[in-house]
Amino acid sequence: SYELTQPPSVSVSPGQTASITCSGDKLGDRYACWYQQKPGQSPVLVIYQDTKRPSGIPERFSGSNSGNTATLTISGTQAMDEADYYCQAWDSSTGVFGTGTKVTVL
Amino acid sequence: EVHLVESGGALMQPGGSLRLSCAASGFTVSSNYMSWVRQAPGKGLEWVSVIYSGGSTYYADSVKGRFTISRDNYKNTLYLQMNSLRADDTAVYYCARGPLDTSLDYWGQGTLVTVSS
Repeated sequence: SYELTQPPSVSVSPGQTASITCSGDKLGDRYACWYQQKPGQSPVLVIYQDTKRPSGIPERFSGSNSGNTATLTISGTQAMDEADYYCQAWDSSTGVFGTGTKVTVL
Repeated sequence: EVHLVESGGALMQPGGSLRLSCAASGFTVSSNYMSWVRQAPGKGLEWVSVIYSGGSTYYADSVKGRFTISRDNYKNTLYLQMNSLRADDTAVYYCARGPLDTSLDYWGQGTLVTVSS
């Protein structure tokens, strides 16, 4: 079965850039998306189709996807960005989530 | 405005059956792909099932043969019938619209299913 691997944690200082990777076999050949989940809340879509931001998502969130790795970048990270982040892709008609990354803003 | 509200979560014994509901507003369930995703306590997200607008259904291997996704077009509601429940089915279950543009763009608040003797 298809698997997506993320680093368990990423730490970033306020105002700096956080990069979260998502690795999977030939991931760049399919679309990746990213969700943000804060404690006790439902996930929120922050990036879809590799690079697109839904309405209402700040411009500091951006994405890329090439080769075996998709990346979510948070530029000018703010305290409110502290959350768990999950990548997701589709393997045929089966959904696959990444292992999740906890972003801590120190 | 799109809104999804799950219900039906409960404390269940192993081997039992339960049906979750997801009432949608602001869009038509039958015209969209709809998914169920679950999250065990303290764990990550796990995709469970999807129903396409044409009616095709797909399941994660972990629930295949035990869970059934369906919808009621008149009630604009999505369902997840869960049979032969096991302890490792314990999770918050979310319904979500999608995949739309390959992503799940709206999520409900979730409903908790606990399977324990």
